[in-house]
Amino acid sequence: QKEVEQNSGPLSVPEGAIASLNCTYSDRGSQSFFWYRQYSGKSPELIMSIYSNGDKEDGRFTAQLNKASQYVSLLIRDSQPSDSATYLCAPFNQAGTALIFGKGTTLSVSS
Amino acid sequence: DAGVTQSPTHLIKTRGQHVTLRCSPISGHKSVSWYQQVLGQGPQFIFQYYEKEERGRGNFPDRFSARQFPNYSSELNVNALLLGDSALYLCASSLVGSEAFFGQGTRLTVV
Repeated sequence: QKEVEQNSGPLSVPEGAIASLNCTYSDRGSQSFFWYRQYSGKSPELIMSIYSNGDKEDGRFTAQLNKASQYVSLLIRDSQPSDSATYLCAPFNQAGTALIFGKGTTLSVSS
Repeated sequence: DAGVTQSPTHLIKTRGQHVTLRCSPISGHKSVSWYQQVLGQGPQFIFQYYEKEERGRGNFPDRFSARQFPNYSSELNVNALLLGDSALYLCASSLVGSEAFFGQGTRLTVV
């Protein structure tokens, strides 16, 4: 059973701080990795994708990937109350046919 | 551009009944996947279809089935509904092996 592990949280940070979200995965064949944001009662929204080891920056978001350690992270700089949501880490399985989701980390940004 | 559209948005069914959920992918996307998300959990993969063929199946009973039509839209069918089938059903469309974008979901309640 391929698994994705995330700290469920809640992770609480003050407005303007950096939020750090972490994820480990078990399928060594995974090559593509995604972060989704999900507001309560809504569907997941894609915010970042990363395919190679290292960092990838997009605005206030930075994704980091280390395939040797089977570790993915997401940094959110200058956190805003509107960032308060559940963040889902999801690698593709080796076949590229299915996203494998963790339970998600709930982030709360206080103003 | 229209995103992924799902219908209906909400549905209430009785145990033992059958349900059909529908999904229209983003224009140009030929791959459609279905996920089930129960409260407090990450989405779980049910099926992936590409070019009208099933390319992946998750660990769900045979009561779950799906198909994809020539226009790449898709249906998910669930027979003999159980209380445990109550969940948010998500459809995602993508180019093959690329980023997946979710529809707004269908909230199914089985009573």
